[in-house]
Amino acid sequence: DGGITQSPKYLFRKEGQNVTLSCEQNLNHDAMYWYRQDPGQGLRLIYYSQIVNDFQKGDIAEGYSVSREKKESFPLTVTSAQKNPTAFYLCASRVAGADTQYFGPGTRLTVL
Amino acid sequence: SQELEQSPQSLIVQEGKNLTINCTSSKTLYGLYWYKQKYGEGLIFLMMLQKGGEEKSHEKITAKLDEKKQQSSLHITASQPSHAGIYLCGADRGNQGGKLIFGQGTELSVKP
Repeated sequence: DGGITQSPKYLFRKEGQNVTLSCEQNLNHDAMYWYRQDPGQGLRLIYYSQIVNDFQKGDIAEGYSVSREKKESFPLTVTSAQKNPTAFYLCASRVAGADTQYFGPGTRLTVL
Repeated sequence: SQELEQSPQSLIVQEGKNLTINCTSSKTLYGLYWYKQKYGEGLIFLMMLQKGGEEKSHEKITAKLDEKKQQSSLHITASQPSHAGIYLCGADRGNQGGKLIFGQGTELSVKP
């Protein structure tokens, strides 16, 4: 089946540790996006990538890093510099030139 | 401040009742998207509106974009428990790599 997968669904980490969230799509979409969702704040854009080996910062990139070495993969690393990393993280993808973004199931990160 | 304001923030309706959710922007919208989210899950695409005055329907859900392209409404007719969830509007910022900004969401509960 075509779609966007995110793993793991739940992630627990100790404060000060880096953690990498996985996002994979087999839709052959060109653009990929990472959003963070906090209660009552909707979604906020962290990073996005329109093509392989290229990515841009979104509105809240501080404390995060990404890579785009393959078209189908866009992993997000939450570093120890992110001051409040506990949140629900959503990955999305879109065909270049098309409008609609499609979302993965999300990863809930809890930092203890 | 939010670039997209949704109202109400939460809504409880009796099954069978109609309801409307609003999404308002201070700027002209290039594209307006409606998504639905079950708690702890990814976003499901509902509809996208681009033209002023445009209206789209899917099953019992109708979305409209006003002529000025600054306000959209989502109307559910004869609500059912399956309509419960969080409804989010998202807007294309226009020529910026498909980046979306989102409203804070409207949480809908439908009482049987």
